Amino acid sequence: DQQVKQNSPSLSVQEGRISILNCDYTNSMFDYFLWYKKYPAEGPTFLISISSIKDKNEDGRFTVFLNKSAKHLSLHIVPSQPGDSAVYFCAKEGGTSYGKLTFGQGTILTVHP
Amino acid sequence: NAGVTQTPKFQVLKTGQSMTLQCAQDMNHNSMYWYRQDPGMGLRLIYYSASEGTTDKGEVPNGYNVSRLNKREFSLRLESAAPSQTSVYFCASTIPQGQETQYFGPGTRLLVL
Repeated sequence: DQQVKQNSPSLSVQEGRISILNCDYTNSMFDYFLWYKKYPAEGPTFLISISSIKDKNEDGRFTVFLNKSAKHLSLHIVPSQPGDSAVYFCAKEGGTSYGKLTFGQGTILTVHP
Repeated sequence: NAGVTQTPKFQVLKTGQSMTLQCAQDMNHNSMYWYRQDPGMGLRLIYYSASEGTTDKGEVPNGYNVSRLNKREFSLRLESAAPSQTSVYFCASTIPQGQETQYFGPGTRLLVL
């Protein structure tokens, strides 16, 4: 049972436009959601997070929206830049201790100049 | 601070050979994790160590063993490598206080022939 799903394997966007990456999750009340960014041959790096008690969190060009009724999470990047081209993983930290994360499959974002 | 370091960066094994992947962190984190990343599968948790002296299985532990040598170091051992263990392995660490992020190493790319 996959708890976190990213249904779009890839996304292509023009520089300056908005990138929207989506993630769906299965039921859990007290989750904490994170987005990680990964460049080739590097480890994932933390990008932005949101607590389940909120519905939006912003950090510069990056905004994460949480729709609890739809169990849906999205990451908006505005404006998109070529340096944003990477694999983006959404992840869920649920309920239990020790910070265990469940990751989605990832979405490859390509931003064209 | 070096953060999370992993050795080796790349390894080729023959089926049945054994090897140990090394991970160390200098951030004084309590918890450490081993993940594998496969195409289309995201990152899957193999084993984790909530604190020095404890280890627990994650989602895909079969074929692996771990050792939490001290607070800094967490190693992953393949006793008898199989082609299905061809993957990229990431080590991560965090302080498990809830709603915190994990810090990842650069990864070890393993090819089992």
